[in-house]
Formats: sequence, structure tokens, C-alpha cells
Amino acid sequence: QVQLQESGPGLVKPSETLSLTCTVSGDPINRYYWIWIRQPPGRGLEWLGYISYTGTTNYNPSLKSRVTFSVDTSRNQFSLSLPSVTAADTAVYYCARMKWVGEESWFDPWGQGTLVTVSS
Amino acid sequence: DIQMTQSPSSLSASVGDRVTVTCRASQPISSFLNWYQQRPGMAPILLIYAASSLQSGVPSRFSGSGSGTDFTLTISSLQPEDFATYYCQQSYSTPYTFGQGTKLEI
Repeated sequence: QVQLQESGPGLVKPSETLSLTCTVSGDPINRYYWIWIRQPPGRGLEWLGYISYTGTTNYNPSLKSRVTFSVDTSRNQFSLSLPSVTAADTAVYYCARMKWVGEESWFDPWGQGTLVTVSS
Repeated sequence: DIQMTQSPSSLSASVGDRVTVTCRASQPISSFLNWYQQRPGMAPILLIYAASSLQSGVPSRFSGSGSGTDFTLTISSLQPEDFATYYCQQSYSTPYTFGQGTKLEI
């Protein structure tokens, strides 16, 4: 059974870089695409982008080119880096597997999520 | 970006009720539509993919239908564990987008 676990600092200062890692267990990372999603407190879900095991990426333009994803197949991990954070980046960050069948795709399973607060 | 609009935003119902949540896309998305359930403090879980396919392990009281721009999620007989927030999500084109959520309350 595939499981995902986010890790990283829960508190980041404004203008600094938010860095998170997602560790995948139960399935090789080199079979699927992997995504990041965030959810500000009390609000809805925002897809941040995806990365493949080869490093192919697709980012949400709403992040204005701030975000960078990377993948480490040897550790079965992928990571997110978001520099120059502001209070608007405060959210629960989720990682998830993106499954493709033909042209259809969906997100399953998800990690438990990690709250990142941007504050001095 | 494709905008996804859910209705209603919140819904009060009772155990045993039949409930329908609607999701409308701002442009046709064929059947590229997924539904998720999120309980308070928990990560979302996949219920329905490709508009009408039930994810493995999800109870059969959940069903999805629709294509093009209009979609529905139906719960045939509400159970206590179904009181949660439900999100639709389009996978037709990036950036993938979600509806604003429908909170199902007792």
C-alpha cells in the first residue's frame, strides 16, 4: 500500500524559503507523477504542480514562477522549494500521487499534510 | 484557467437522506472530473474518478455522473461518517483546479 509523508519546517519567516519533502513508501517513485497541493486555513484546495520521476514538471502559473520541484529516485522522495514567502503562503501542504489511465488522471493517495506558517 | 463552481456551498441533511452535489465547469471538460471527500483535520481522499468511476474501497452509496460542463455527486443514503466537505476537481487541462467545496452538515 502506497503511503506518502510530508516533512519540513512548520514555521518559516517572511522572505525566506519554504522547503518540504515528500517520502513515498510502498511503491517505486519511478512509476508515476507526483504533485503538491496546498490549502490555506479554512479555505479550498490549490494545485501547485506536478513532477515526474524523470524530472518533467508542470507548475501552476499562479505561483508566478516561484516554485521549484525536484525528485530523488534513490531516496524515493520528491521536494518543493518556494522562496520569498509571505503570509499568503501559510497553508497545509499536501503531497499526493497522480495516477494516469489513458488521458484521465486523478490524485490518490495523499499524504497527511503539514501545516506551514509564515510568520516572523 | 478552468473555473469549477460547486453548489450548494453548504448543505444540511440527516442520516439516511439522499444528497446531490453539483459541479459546473466554465468550459467543457468531457469526463475529466474527480470527486474528493475531506473530513475535518484530514487529508482529502478520492471518491470518484473520470466522472463516474468509483474508487476501490469507496462505499457504493457514492456515485458520480455527468460530462461536458455539468456533473453531480450523489450519496444515496447518508451515513454519519459522510458528514464532510466534498470537492470536485478537473483534470482536463493544467492548472488543475478544484471547486470551492460543499460542506455537508448534520
